[in-house]
Amino acid sequence: AQTVTQSQPEMSVQEAETVTLSCTYDTSENNYYLFWYKQPPSRQMILVIRQEAYKQQNATENRFSVNFQKAAKSFSLKISDSQLGDTAMYFCAFMISTGNQFYFGTGTSLTVIP
Amino acid sequence: ETGVTQSPTHLIKTRGQQVTLRCSSQSGHNTVSWYQQALGQGPQFIFQYYREEENGRGNFPPRFSGLQFPNYSSELNVNALELDDSALYLCASSLKADGGEKLFFGSGTQLSVL
Repeated sequence: AQTVTQSQPEMSVQEAETVTLSCTYDTSENNYYLFWYKQPPSRQMILVIRQEAYKQQNATENRFSVNFQKAAKSFSLKISDSQLGDTAMYFCAFMISTGNQFYFGTGTSLTVIP
Repeated sequence: ETGVTQSPTHLIKTRGQQVTLRCSSQSGHNTVSWYQQALGQGPQFIFQYYREEENGRGNFPPRFSGLQFPNYSSELNVNALELDDSALYLCASSLKADGGEKLFFGSGTQLSVL
């Protein structure tokens, strides 16, 4: 069975500061993808960043970067220079390479404080 | 904007009724997936359609059914509604040719069952 755990239901950060959101997952598969999605009040899930498990190099997208620790099954998201528009729910997700479904965590509600 | 549109945005039904939710995929995408997001939870996979055929199903009863049309638009049908069916229903499209692991979500349909 595949599971994704986000242990921080809520977090806050001051504007322009850096924040890290945690995610762990469990799987017996070796080939998979990991994702962070953002869900603002508009409800639309927006892809923030994606990591292929076979790549050791951590993915980065502008102010967003991940710390992927495959042996520890950990996949944290770091947001640098936090902006008010980063306020949203953040979901960690996982997909087996040969599969067709995403497994999502329960989310972390991030508030950026002016 | 992801190019995925869902209708209606909100819907209120009573227990025992039937409901149809609609989704228009992003242009060029041949795969559509449906997810149920209960309040305070991450999305749960309902099923996926690829080229008009069901291509995987999550742990949902048969009263959840779907269709995908030649233009790759899709419907989710739920019969005999139950109170626990109240949730946000998200449609996501993707392109199988590129591995299908990048999902583009719509803004969802908020279903309330009274």
